[in-house]
Amino acid sequence: DTTVKQNPRYKLARVGKPVNLICSQTMNHDTMYWYQKKPNQAPKLLLFYYDKILNREADTFEKFQSSRPNNSFCSLYIGSAGLEYSAMYLCASSSGWGGVDTQYFGPGTRLLVL
Amino acid sequence: GEQVEQRPPHLSVREGDSAVIICTYTDPNSYYFFWYKQEPGAGLQLLMKVFSSTEINEGQGFTVLLNKKDKQLSLNLTAAHPGDSAVYFCAVTTSSGQKLVFGQGTILKVYL
Repeated sequence: DTTVKQNPRYKLARVGKPVNLICSQTMNHDTMYWYQKKPNQAPKLLLFYYDKILNREADTFEKFQSSRPNNSFCSLYIGSAGLEYSAMYLCASSSGWGGVDTQYFGPGTRLLVL
Repeated sequence: GEQVEQRPPHLSVREGDSAVIICTYTDPNSYYFFWYKQEPGAGLQLLMKVFSSTEINEGQGFTVLLNKKDKQLSLNLTAAHPGDSAVYFCAVTTSSGQKLVFGQGTILKVYL
C-alpha cells in the first residue's frame, strides 16, 4: 500500500487564526515532506522531516512549523494565517532522504483563508 | 539554484493523437528526473523515474526522452485517450540530491 492520507481535504480559515494540517503514511518511510501549490505555479517545498530531524526551506522558515510525533504522522502548522496562505498543501513521503527516492503524494488539503 | 520550466501549461488533443510536454532545467549536474500524473481529487502518481544515463525510457503508452545536451526532459504520449486527461508534472533532483524541483504542470485534455 503506497497511500498517503491527508486531513482535512478542505479547510476554511480566518485571517489571523491558526491552521493545523495532518498527513499520515503507513509505508514506514523515513522522510515526510510538505509542499505548497498555488494555481499556475510549481509545487514548492516548504519543509521535510527525515526521521526526527526537521529541515525547513530558508524562504519559508518563519511561516510554517511542523511536528512528527511518530513515524506515520506529520503535521503542518500555521500560527497566524494570512490571505497569502491560501493554496493546496501537498504531503509526500519517501523511504530515503532528499530528491533521489520516489516521493509518494497524498491528495492534498485545499486551504482557503478569508 | 535549479529551475525547471514546463511547457505548455495547457494542452488539448484529439483521441488517438500524440501529446508532448517538455521541461527545461538549468543544472547540468541534475541526475534523477521524474514525471508525475495527477488526476482530479487524487495525489500525484509517479509515471516514471529516469536516471541521467538513460536517454530513452519506454512506458505503457508513453516515452520519456532525456536530452542532456539541451537540458530537456520530455513526456511523449502516443495515441492519447481520454484516460490520459490529467495534470502532468515533471520534477528534477537537484545536483546536491537534497530535494526535487518541480515544473509548473501541464493540464492535458484528451477529447473524443
